[in-house]
Amino acid sequence: AQTVTQSQPEMSVQEAETVTLSCTYDTSENNYYLFWYKQPPSRQMILVIRQEAYKQQNATENRFSVNFQKAAKSFSLKISDSQLGDTAMYFCAFMKPLYSGGYQKVTFGTGTKLQVIP
Amino acid sequence: NAGVTQTPKFQVLKTGQSMTLQCAQDMNHEYMSWYRQDPGMGLRLIHYSVGAGITDQGEVPNGYNVSRSTTEDFPLRLLSAAPSQTSVYFCASSYSPPTGSVEKLFFGSGTQLSVL
Repeated sequence: AQTVTQSQPEMSVQEAETVTLSCTYDTSENNYYLFWYKQPPSRQMILVIRQEAYKQQNATENRFSVNFQKAAKSFSLKISDSQLGDTAMYFCAFMKPLYSGGYQKVTFGTGTKLQVIP
Repeated sequence: NAGVTQTPKFQVLKTGQSMTLQCAQDMNHEYMSWYRQDPGMGLRLIHYSVGAGITDQGEVPNGYNVSRSTTEDFPLRLLSAAPSQTSVYFCASSYSPPTGSVEKLFFGSGTQLSVL
């Protein structure tokens, strides 16, 4: 079974600074997908960024980028130029590929609560 | 396009009461699922469905029932609510396009359930 570990329950960062959220996972799969979801106080789950394991290039979405280290099974999220609107809970998630058969179950980490300080 | 619609947004139950959390999606997605979110535990899969008439258990299925009579709807039933079921519940849908690339999970807005 896959496991996803987020070792930082809470973090804070000054506005306009850069912060990195950590995520490690455990799997025997070679191809899979990784996601970061953001959950602001509104409770809505918002996809921030996703990474396909067979792609070596790290995914980027505007101020958000990942450092994907497949051998180390690490998938950290870097937020540059932090904004007050980035204050939220962030979840790392793992999904196995379709060809493995059956439902593509998504396994979530326990989350990191990020506070951006003005 | 409404996406995934969950009702109600908030609910308070007494121990032993039953209720149904509703979930509907208008994107013709084949996969639907229910998660519960508890502090310090992330989101955990309760039940899921890979199509109309097909459901299966996730990590924490005890105390919950589901059915999928149509592609659009996937209700979650609590037959006899217990305080341990106090949580935030999310319904999600997804699909796999013909290209084989993976789409994201589309989430509903969640239901805050309190069982007294």
